[in-house]
Amino acid sequence: QITLKESGPTLVKPSQTLTLTCTFSGFSLTTGGMSVGWIRQPPGKALEWLALIYWDDSEHYSPSLKTRLTITKDTSKNQVVLTMTNMDPVDTATYYCARYDYFDYWGQGILVTVSS
Amino acid sequence: QSVLTQPPSASGTPGQRVTISCSGSSSNIGRNTVSWYQQLPGMAPKLLIYNDNQRPSGVPDRFSASKSGTSASLAISGLQSEDEADYYCAPWDDSLNGPLFGEGTKLTVL
Repeated sequence: QITLKESGPTLVKPSQTLTLTCTFSGFSLTTGGMSVGWIRQPPGKALEWLALIYWDDSEHYSPSLKTRLTITKDTSKNQVVLTMTNMDPVDTATYYCARYDYFDYWGQGILVTVSS
Repeated sequence: QSVLTQPPSASGTPGQRVTISCSGSSSNIGRNTVSWYQQLPGMAPKLLIYNDNQRPSGVPDRFSASKSGTSASLAISGLQSEDEADYYCAPWDDSLNGPLFGEGTKLTVL
């Protein structure tokens, strides 16, 4: 059974750095071709892809957010971590992690509010 | 910047067939496979279609999809009330070097 779950703060202040952890089970990020990504969804708006990390440590970032994002993995813990710097109220959203290809399995999401 | 255009809304009555379109470009739909996601209210998205027209195990065959050129479409036949949700298309985009989500279509079952 494949599961993913996001964890981290639900409230951050403007200019702070957000660190989210995706803890998964049922698959391994050491398997060739495997990857995990982060996607966010502002309230009432569409999905937006943020970042991907692959089994071979290659990383892909949304160009519009590339300077603010870092994605890493810890295969021993089955975790993928996303950091986003300089948070702003417009970054308020539900953040999801999902296994990729095709984002076939998703976490439940975590609502992160950016407010002073 | 690449954009995938979907109609903001669609509707149908129970039993009807509805289609949702997704218009892209040569950097995404025209060159890569498309996946579709269903997002029920308050829930995480769920994979509905992958590789343009393949259904994961457990997805009813009422859901089908196709692609032609730089456009794709999702069809839902025998519409049911539980199909009321938001639907997103998402191919890989070569310019983005990542997956690109469509604007989303809110399906209402009247």
